[in-house]
Amino acid sequence: AQKITQTQPGMFVQEKEAVTLDCTYDTSDPSYGLFWYKQPSSGEMIFLIYQGSYDQQNATEGRYSLNFQKARKSANLVISASQLGDSAMYFCAMSTNTGGFKTIFGAGTRLFVKA
Amino acid sequence: NAGVTQTPKFQVLKTGQSMTLQCAQDMNHNSMYWYRQDPGMGLRLIYYSASEGTTDKGEVPNGYNVSRLNKREFSLRLESAAPSQTSVYFCASTPQSHAEAFFGQGTRLTVV
Repeated sequence: AQKITQTQPGMFVQEKEAVTLDCTYDTSDPSYGLFWYKQPSSGEMIFLIYQGSYDQQNATEGRYSLNFQKARKSANLVISASQLGDSAMYFCAMSTNTGGFKTIFGAGTRLFVKA
Repeated sequence: NAGVTQTPKFQVLKTGQSMTLQCAQDMNHNSMYWYRQDPGMGLRLIYYSASEGTTDKGEVPNGYNVSRLNKREFSLRLESAAPSQTSVYFCASTPQSHAEAFFGQGTRLTVV
């Protein structure tokens, strides 16, 4: 069965510090994609970063990096130098081609950045 | 660039009423999805269409039907709305590959 697990319902971080949001996944598909999305209080979904299952290096996009540990089936998001505007819901997602190409999401982590 | 367009943005239904949520994308994407978002539950996949002419059940399909009308349009129908279907509904699309999903703005549905 394919599944995404985010075990941190809420996280607090001090402004300018780094924070790691956890994500583990389960799939038997050898080819898959891992994603992180941000959902601010306004409700839209914002794509942050992508990691392919065959990518050798961890993905980075500005202050976002994805710590991909394939053997442990984890894809944690690291946000460096947190800003007040980073306060939002963060969703980990996985695309697979088992039973038809689809994307599933985790339950999300709400991040609070303190001034 | 319109991207993914969902209508309506808000809807209130009475229990037992039916309605169709509309979704259209103009990016020539093959795959389209319907998700629902409940507090604390993340986005749960209702139905998806991996390509034009195909539809498949996701994690929570009960009470819903879908139609992939053509490559652009993917509609979600509630035949007999129930209070448990109160949620925010998102339509999304992706190319048929491991690529980011593009989302509509969401439909906030309340069933009373």
